[in-house]
Amino acid sequence: ETGVTQSPTHLIKTRGQQVTLRCSSQSGHNTVSWYQQALGQGPQFIFQYYREEENGRGNFPPRFSGLQFPNYSSELNVNALELDDSALYLCASSSGGGLGQETQYFGPGTRLLVL
Amino acid sequence: GDSVTQMEGPVTLSEEAFLTINCTYTATGYPSLFWYVQYPGEGLQLLLKATKADDKGSNKGFEATYRKETTSFHLEKGSVQVSDSAVYFCALDGGSNDYKLSFGAGTTVTVRA
Repeated sequence: ETGVTQSPTHLIKTRGQQVTLRCSSQSGHNTVSWYQQALGQGPQFIFQYYREEENGRGNFPPRFSGLQFPNYSSELNVNALELDDSALYLCASSSGGGLGQETQYFGPGTRLLVL
Repeated sequence: GDSVTQMEGPVTLSEEAFLTINCTYTATGYPSLFWYVQYPGEGLQLLLKATKADDKGSNKGFEATYRKETTSFHLEKGSVQVSDSAVYFCALDGGSNDYKLSFGAGTTVTVRA
């Protein structure tokens, strides 16, 4: 069984640029959630995708957007990067369709540095 | 909204010592509770979970019991090893129809040989 994978592992961008992060969900999982983890803090929920639709969103501005593909993989896009966007971005997959009481399995993350 | 409060770290222990990390929560529904562990430079790994009151989650010698009366989910291990050095996160979801995980700030544990 293949776990959650993310690419790239590390990324350096400058302020104002745009970035796309990718996630492949664990085999058999149809739901993908994205989290932002700033240094020394717990992860913060960005949004979740189920059946290619956004299924809920945390307190992040619209310049954070996403996609889910028919194979359940997902992308996180961030436009107009700001210095505070520097963080570890974690993708998690699950199989319950976002209904709660389901276990989310995390990938290794993409570390983004904005200069 | 739902929230989690964790014991602040860092925590430094000797090998074979007893570990407790306190976690309390605030929730309006009936959440499931989780402990995740993050090793240096890695993502989060699920350590254990409990889905209803009085459930005990356990894995790799770690245990935590879902206490609704005290809104707590404290993590314990009887004899830690150097390999248990990591950051531990307590988290909850909102129960049915509430998918997002809310995390505590994390507790850094260092075990010395």
